Amino acid sequence: EAQVTQNPRYLITVTGKKLTVTCSQNMNHEYMSWYRQDPGLGLRQIYYSMNVEVTDKGDVPEGYKVSRKEKRNFPLILESPSPNQTSLYFCASSLSRGSTTYGYTFGSGTRLTVV
Amino acid sequence: GENVEQHPSTLSVQEGDSAVIKCTYSDSASNYFPWYKQELGKGPQLIIDIRSNVGEKKDQRIAVTLNKTAKHFSLHITETQPEDSAVYFCAASPSTGGYNKLIFGAGTRLAVHP
Repeated sequence: EAQVTQNPRYLITVTGKKLTVTCSQNMNHEYMSWYRQDPGLGLRQIYYSMNVEVTDKGDVPEGYKVSRKEKRNFPLILESPSPNQTSLYFCASSLSRGSTTYGYTFGSGTRLTVV
Repeated sequence: GENVEQHPSTLSVQEGDSAVIKCTYSDSASNYFPWYKQELGKGPQLIIDIRSNVGEKKDQRIAVTLNKTAKHFSLHITETQPEDSAVYFCAASPSTGGYNKLIFGAGTRLAVHP
């Protein structure tokens, strides 16, 4: 089954304790992205990757890091989490062909609480 | 940059009625407009999309219309059923910020009452 897998689904952590949220896709998609979802704000892009070793900032990148060492994996790293990073996070992937935009396949989400 | 506004934020209908959700966008160069359905506890799922060279697209009970001149697009759901209850997001692809980028609206919570 074609899917994007995120882990963990739920995470409660303390301020300042480094954490990683993993994301893996099995569709051989070039493009991967992380979004955060907050009430009334919709989905906002944190970081994206056009392909292996190619990453760039989205609209709300502060406090986050990413890496793309393999095509299928795109982990999200919070080096020093703060309470304002409490949110619902989604990883997404899609095809990437020139300048054409394609629909995303989203993971099931990770609900992060930072206390 | 691109801004996508979505209305209404909540919508309540009776089963069998139609539901319409509207979005406006600011970047006249946007050329791809998908709609996503998010059920409770799940990630958004693509339900229909339209490109700027098409004015309308249908898939069974759902349809999307695009008015490029007015820079707005709408999702139409006919003969609504309780399983249509979810949060719906529209999105638009901006001309800046990298290929494949999507800017999302704030979402519409649709409730279909039996």
